[in-house]
Amino acid sequence: AQSVTQPDIHITVSEGASLELRCNYSYGATPYLFWYVQSPGQGLQLLLKYFSGDTLVQGIKGFEAEFKRSQSSFNLRKPSVHWSDAAEYFCAVGTGGTYKYIFGTGTRLKVLA
Amino acid sequence: NAGVTQTPKFQVLKTGQSMTLQCAQDMNHNSMYWYRQDPGMGLRLIYYSASEGTTDKGEVPNGYNVSRLNKREFSLRLESAAPSQTSVYFCASSPSPGQGFTEAFFGQGTRLTVV
Repeated sequence: AQSVTQPDIHITVSEGASLELRCNYSYGATPYLFWYVQSPGQGLQLLLKYFSGDTLVQGIKGFEAEFKRSQSSFNLRKPSVHWSDAAEYFCAVGTGGTYKYIFGTGTRLKVLA
Repeated sequence: NAGVTQTPKFQVLKTGQSMTLQCAQDMNHNSMYWYRQDPGMGLRLIYYSASEGTTDKGEVPNGYNVSRLNKREFSLRLESAAPSQTSVYFCASSPSPGQGFTEAFFGQGTRLTVV
C-alpha cells in the first residue's frame, strides 16, 4: 500500500539557518510527489511538485526538493529560513492510477528569532 | 477566482445531530476530495470523486456519506455526529483525470466540534 512517512514531528531552527525536512514514500510505480505548506488556520498551499525529469525541483518561497529513487525520499530544503516560514509542512504522494493523494503526518516548523 | 470554497467555516454540533458540509470549486476540475485533519495524523482521505456521478471510499469513510451533486459541488454528510468526528475538514479538487495528473487545490477548511 502507498504511504508517506515524515519522521520529524517538530523541528526548530534559528532564522537564517538552513532547513531540511525529510519525507520517505512507499509506492510501487513512479511516484508523483508534492510538498504543501499550511499556515495556522489556513488551507494547504502547494510549494513544489515532482513528476519526472530533473530530480532537483524548485518551488515557491525559495524552497527546493530532491527526489532520490534509491532512497525513496523527497526531502525539502531551504538555504536560509525566514520567520514567516513557521508553519506545518506536508509531503504527499499522488497515486496516478486512482488519482488519490496520500499525505504524511506533517512536520511543524518553529523559527527562532 | 474563488478556487475551492467550503461552508461553513466553523460548526458546533451536539452528539447525534446531522449536518452537511458544502464544497464548491470553480476551476472545472474533474476530481474532488474530502479529507479530515487531526493532530499528529496528517490528512486522511474520507471520500473522493473522480468524476461527476462517481464516488469512492477513502481511508476513513465510516460515519460519513457524500454526494457529487454536479461537477462543481461535492458535499459531505454526517448523519449522526460523534465526538470522534471532531476535526478540521478539507475539501480539495484536481483536474485529474483527463488532464494528466497534477496537484490538488484545497479549500480553507471547516472546523467541526462535536460535543
